[in-house]
Amino acid sequence: EAAVTQSPRNKVTVTGGNVTLSCRQTNSHNYMYWYRQDTGHGLRLIHYSYGAGNLQIGDVPDGYKATRTTQEDFFLLLELASPSQTSLYFCASSDPGSSAETLYFGSGTRLTVL
Amino acid sequence: GDSVTQTEGQVALSEEDFLTIHCNYSASGYPALFWYVQYPGEGPQFLFRASRDKEKGSSRGFEATYDKGTTSFHLRKASVQESDSAVYYCALAYTGNYKYVFGAGTRLKVIA
Repeated sequence: EAAVTQSPRNKVTVTGGNVTLSCRQTNSHNYMYWYRQDTGHGLRLIHYSYGAGNLQIGDVPDGYKATRTTQEDFFLLLELASPSQTSLYFCASSDPGSSAETLYFGSGTRLTVL
Repeated sequence: GDSVTQTEGQVALSEEDFLTIHCNYSASGYPALFWYVQYPGEGPQFLFRASRDKEKGSSRGFEATYDKGTTSFHLRKASVQESDSAVYYCALAYTGNYKYVFGAGTRLKVIA
């Protein structure tokens, strides 16, 4: 069973604060993703990566940085957090192959920016 | 760009009712189509997929048929249970391109 672990589960910060969300997958998947989930918008892709040291820009990247340090670890960085970044964040991984592959999601990090 | 539209934002049913959640897509190519389900406090999880026209995907009593003509992939279940209460996401993705496009989600509440 694929395993994606996110930490912390909940985070509260203030406007202008510095936040790092962590994600680790133990599935040997090459692809990892960061999504945000907001009511009425569903899941929106922030950044993704296809391997250590690689970073690809998603659909809503403004205000976010990401870094993939190893195959297992993918971090999302908010260097100057704003209230508009209050959201539920999900990390996901997928297995490379010749067809569009299933995403495996973590349990999410709820971020509140005051 | 590509998009996925789920018509219903919320659906409320009684146990043993028939479920339909509508999903229509707009795509420049020939994507695979997916349904994901998200239970409270959890991340979305894969339900099933279909990769070509007229293919039916199914799992746990849910099913959907890829219809290229009507650009649809509607989710159906003959008899829902309270445990089916969750948010359901329709999505598309292309072979060789790992970016998914998700619909806005449909929240299903089943009353016992």
